[in-house]
Amino acid sequence: ETGVTQTPRHLVMGMTNKKSLKCEQHLGHNAMYWYKQSAKKPLELMFVYNFKEQTENNSVPSRFSPECPNSSHLFLHLHTLQPEDSALYLCASSPGLAGVHEQFFGPGTRLTVL
Amino acid sequence: AQRVTQPEKLLSVFKGAPVELKCNYSYSGSPELFWYVQYSRQRLQLLLRHISRESIKGFTADLNKGETSFHLKKPFAQEEDSAMYYCALLIQGAQKLVFGQGTRLTINP
Repeated sequence: ETGVTQTPRHLVMGMTNKKSLKCEQHLGHNAMYWYKQSAKKPLELMFVYNFKEQTENNSVPSRFSPECPNSSHLFLHLHTLQPEDSALYLCASSPGLAGVHEQFFGPGTRLTVL
Repeated sequence: AQRVTQPEKLLSVFKGAPVELKCNYSYSGSPELFWYVQYSRQRLQLLLRHISRESIKGFTADLNKGETSFHLKKPFAQEEDSAMYYCALLIQGAQKLVFGQGTRLTINP
């Protein structure tokens, strides 16, 4: 598959569960991003990785833990989430930080926390 | 503060009518702005950037530093323009985008 893929597409979890979101890009890009999109707020940048190194943590609570094992894969590990964390989580990639303006987005994971 | 404001959550116009989606920004540096679009059942994607001064799908956007605006315009709307539109500001140095809340544009037949 080409582009940016995300799995799962939908996830329902309890507050005590531990789950992970996966993102994979097949574009040869070096920068990857996690965004949170909730109904009442603008698209919020959560984390940025460039060449597998985290370059941005936008004051995200520690219950969200990112992992970037290589430039093609990005994970978001979730534990002890709150109902207000329910949102659409988008992954994106760009050629590098210099091309940050042209991000390619995945379809998103719709997360519901019960 | 670095902020992008899209004052209209919803905008509805008739096919063939002109359309303007408003975007205002707050930024102390030299602004670079972009419009992203998300069509129904498709992914968020870059529509255009001010620096290239291009017209994409009939849309144009001019950066007005005096009014701190980057409004998106099209003289004759088409039904396929119905989508969610997001204005975004590049934060230099940090190399990240700040997005507005988005405007849902509906083109009525």
